[in-house]
Amino acid sequence: GENVEQHPSTLSVQEGDSAVIKCTYSDSASNYFPWYKQELGKGPQLIIDIRSNVGEKKDQRIAVTLNKTAKHFSLHITETQPEDSAVYFCAASPPNYQLIWGAGTKLIIKP
Amino acid sequence: DGGITQSPKYLFRKEGQNVTLSCEQNLNHDAMYWYRQDPGQGLRLIYYSQIVNDFQKGDIAEGYSVSREKKESFPLTVTSAQKNPTAFYLCASSILTGMDQETQYFGPGTRLLVL
Repeated sequence: GENVEQHPSTLSVQEGDSAVIKCTYSDSASNYFPWYKQELGKGPQLIIDIRSNVGEKKDQRIAVTLNKTAKHFSLHITETQPEDSAVYFCAASPPNYQLIWGAGTKLIIKP
Repeated sequence: DGGITQSPKYLFRKEGQNVTLSCEQNLNHDAMYWYRQDPGQGLRLIYYSQIVNDFQKGDIAEGYSVSREKKESFPLTVTSAQKNPTAFYLCASSILTGMDQETQYFGPGTRLLVL
């Protein structure tokens, strides 16, 4: 079955710098890759997603890149702000199957 | 306001007791899901349902039960057979469009603690 690994588990960056979180997946049939942000004590919220027919997607300060050959995808956050501090989860989904989640990355933005 | 509601926010369970967590959505989504989240771990799927009166086991269904009598509601019962129920429980819903997974929208969660 599908397995998703996420790195790093904790990432600390200076406010204004960029942050990059990486995930690898094992099932080459996976075709949907969402990223969620979870604030303390709350449910996860989708921040961006990508399907396997595109290599990159951007939404303001957030971008996701997908390398199907290498089976990895990454979240890029530019010009980080204090409100970006949270836990970020990646996930992957083979067709007709459920989401398989990474273990999460705690992002800390230092003032 | 459209969304997913979960209640209660906190729930305490005594030994040998069954407890039920509520999940309601008014998004008109066909699919609903229950996840368990433990500290420092990703989400693990307990049960999911794609249509009323039908549901499927996820990866960690043992000790849990669900029902889907209405499209809007998907309650989860944590039974006494679940020996380590302390966790954060998340409900989600999504539309269904054939084979591909669609965006899942999450409720605020219920934290279950054992007394």
